[in-house]
Amino acid sequence: DAGVIQSPRHEVTEMGQEVTLRCKPISGHDYLFWYRQTMMRGLELLIYFNNNVPIDDSGMPEDRFSAKMPNASFSTLKIQPSEPRDSAVYFCASSLGGLAVEFKQYFGPGTRLTVT
Amino acid sequence: GENVEQHPSTLSVQEGDSAVIKCTYSDSASNYFPWYKQELGKRPQLIIDIRSNVGEKKDQRIAVTLNKTAKHFSLHITETQPEDSAVYFCAASIVSGGGADGLTFGKGTHLIIQP
Repeated sequence: DAGVIQSPRHEVTEMGQEVTLRCKPISGHDYLFWYRQTMMRGLELLIYFNNNVPIDDSGMPEDRFSAKMPNASFSTLKIQPSEPRDSAVYFCASSLGGLAVEFKQYFGPGTRLTVT
Repeated sequence: GENVEQHPSTLSVQEGDSAVIKCTYSDSASNYFPWYKQELGKRPQLIIDIRSNVGEKKDQRIAVTLNKTAKHFSLHITETQPEDSAVYFCAASIVSGGGADGLTFGKGTHLIIQP
């Protein structure tokens, strides 16, 4: 298995531009999580999906952030318009759910976003 | 919501000695506690986890203990090696028959193994 796949790995953009981050979860996993990591705030949950449905988006900082999961193998996190304070590493993670006893979350390699 | 406190923020130990990292959580409903290791520029990697129905779990040189009453859990690394140098994160979550919630992380511990 290729693990969780994220793209792009690095993104540099100017303030005000739209940014789209992409994630492909591990095949068969029905939970998908988006996290953000900064020095100041550490690792924080933004939103997560179960079977493509958003369950908890209370961590999304503001309306500029939106996330979708149109099918079981693809999710996007969009920032529009982007601001310098959005600069961070964004991680996607996935896990099994349902009747499975394993709830381990496996992280993707992350997207390092720099907004100038 | 859940709040996870982690101590110390930096820990330096001599190679071969043991290292202990401690975390406390606030939500008594939390019942799943994973530990992640993150090397510089890399993704967090799960190294061990424990459910609240277990008091201790061990995997080779790594062990985790949980005290539900006091709401704290600890990571123990014995016979430390240079490759153990990294940032370690504890986390807490609620799991049910339907799956797990998102993780609430501690702020991390930078473990330095001195040769």
